Amino acid sequence: EVQLVESGGGLVQPGRSLKLSCAASGFTFSNYYMAWVRQAPKKGLEWVATISTSGSRTYYPDSVKGRFTISRDNAKSSLYLQMNSLKSEDTATYYCARHSGFDYWGQGVMVTVSS
Amino acid sequence: DVVLTQTPSILSATIGQSVSISCRSSQSLLDSDGNTYLYWFLQRPGQSPQRLIYLVSNLGSGVPNRFSGSGSGTDFTLKISGVEAEDLGVYYCMQATHAPRTFGGGTKLELK
Repeated sequence: EVQLVESGGGLVQPGRSLKLSCAASGFTFSNYYMAWVRQAPKKGLEWVATISTSGSRTYYPDSVKGRFTISRDNAKSSLYLQMNSLKSEDTATYYCARHSGFDYWGQGVMVTVSS
Repeated sequence: DVVLTQTPSILSATIGQSVSISCRSSQSLLDSDGNTYLYWFLQRPGQSPQRLIYLVSNLGSGVPNRFSGSGSGTDFTLKISGVEAEDLGVYYCMQATHAPRTFGGGTKLELK
């Protein structure tokens, strides 16, 4: 059974940093591009980042480019999202997902950016 | 960025009723490889999104066949043939033909 379990969320002040993790199981993690998608409270879905199987290629929308960094550790079947210079508009539930068609999603982790 | 416009934003239905949701794109979603990367997701209350349909009309794993997808180019439709209680929630379309991937604004399906 495919499982994606996010962790690392919480309350953080504007301008500070936070790192999210996603533990994957039930599939060969190293064979899949992976992604992060977020959802602000009571809002829709927004793609945040994607990483290639080896980690050599990463992709971001303009809204987070230069502030967020996606990475992975295939030996640990883990995905990460380093978020720097956080803003109030980054407040959201963050989901990790298999990039290919977004066929599997984690349960999400809440990030609140507030002073 | 490609804008996906979903209508209606709220859909009221009775159990057993058939309903449709529209997703219109600001650009054609037909890719140069011949595929159309249009997907449908359901997010039940308090849950993460679940993929229902991929590549316009292909049913995801374990998805009941009362769900169906159709369309081409810029106009797409998700149909539910006989709404069941477990179908309530918010439906999103998503395109992956053009970077960045974008989602529609969502359609909330509620009981009438």
